[in-house]
Amino acid sequence: GQNIDQPTEMTATEGAIVQINCTYQTSGFNGLFWYQQHAGEAPTFLSYNVLDGLEEKGRFSSFLSRSKGYSYLLLKELQMKDSASYLCAVIDSNYQLIWGAGTKLIIKP
Amino acid sequence: NAGVTQTPKFRILKIGQSMTLQCTQDMNHNYMYWYRQDPGMGLKLIYYSVGAGITDKGEVPNGYNVSRSTTEDFPLRLELAAPSQTSVYFCASSYQERETQYFGPGTRLLVL
Repeated sequence: GQNIDQPTEMTATEGAIVQINCTYQTSGFNGLFWYQQHAGEAPTFLSYNVLDGLEEKGRFSSFLSRSKGYSYLLLKELQMKDSASYLCAVIDSNYQLIWGAGTKLIIKP
Repeated sequence: NAGVTQTPKFRILKIGQSMTLQCTQDMNHNYMYWYRQDPGMGLKLIYYSVGAGITDKGEVPNGYNVSRSTTEDFPLRLELAAPSQTSVYFCASSYQERETQYFGPGTRLLVL
């Protein structure tokens, strides 16, 4: 079967750095997305990786290793508004998007 | 551009009732999707469409039906509502299959 694993919940301090990991086992790979979802709201796009390496976008970076079936989202200079769930999703060989359950990130002052 | 819009925002249904969840996008996207999200769970694909007149089942299609008569609209029909269909329903669209999906605000459905 297809599987995406993320930690259920993480806690970090305002101003700090946090890394959210995602491991996947899917039938094929055509790219990986990270989405942010605030409580009671719709997911919004953060990043897309299809090649190995690091993609940086402001305070957020996303890393991919296809050989390890692994990605992480790195959030720097954490702000209270970063409290949200972070969803990892992989495009499989049928171009279906397989979603992880999400990681709830709690930011403390 | 309004993006992806969904109606209603919230609905309570009795067991056995039917309803249609509306979804419209104004971005001229080819691909449209319906997901459900249960508390603490990831998104599950119900149905998707690659263009007007073409729909296909996702991971959890039972109890639902869709149609795509225009590029803009992708309604989701629930026949004979069951408590297991209590969930938050998100509609999304993308220009192509590998591209970013844009989500509507969601419809919260409670079946009692």
